[in-house]
Amino acid sequence: EVRLLESGGDLVQPGGSLRLSCAASGFTFSSHTMSWVRQAPGKGLEWVSSISGGAGNTFNADSVKGRFTISRDNSKNTLYLQMNSLRVEDTAVYYCAKENSDYAGSLDPWGQGTLVTVSS
Amino acid sequence: SYELTQPPSVSVSPGQRATITCSGDALSRHHAHWYQQKAGQAPVVVMYRDTERPSGIPERFSGSSSGTKVTLTISGVLAEDEADYYCQSLDNGGTSWVFGGGTKVTVL
Repeated sequence: EVRLLESGGDLVQPGGSLRLSCAASGFTFSSHTMSWVRQAPGKGLEWVSSISGGAGNTFNADSVKGRFTISRDNSKNTLYLQMNSLRVEDTAVYYCAKENSDYAGSLDPWGQGTLVTVSS
Repeated sequence: SYELTQPPSVSVSPGQRATITCSGDALSRHHAHWYQQKAGQAPVVVMYRDTERPSGIPERFSGSSSGTKVTLTISGVLAEDEADYYCQSLDNGGTSWVFGGGTKVTVL
């Protein structure tokens, strides 16, 4: 069974930093592009970042460019999101998700999410 | 920035048909996926590549595409289909995912 488990969410002050982790199991982690998607309280989904299986390619939303860095450690089957210069508007539940090549790259499955709150 | 446009809400009686649209210029070049998100849960893909249904998704879910619009249809809606639905596709440059604003389906 494919499982994704996020961790690292916390309360942080504006301007602070946080690193999220996503532990993956049940599939060949290094073979799949992985993504982070966030959801602000009561709002819709927003794609944040994606990284290819070999980590050679990364893509970021304009809203986080220069502040967030996606990375992965294939030896540990773990995806990361380093978040710097955090803003109040970064407050959200952050989900990691696997791009499923069987389903044309759609995001499947998703983890349960981890809450990041940016507030003074 | 590129946007995918969905109606904010759709209301439907049990057993009737719910139709959710998603519009965007790049949809004529890129396929779309659809996700269902029930309250307090993570999203689940219910349709991929415009018209294909993942394993385990009921047949009452179907998808279609025409030009710059894609549509998710739920035929014979059940109370359990009440959820938020999001479309997803690539932007004009083909390097960034974009989600629609979401449609709340209410089963009356």
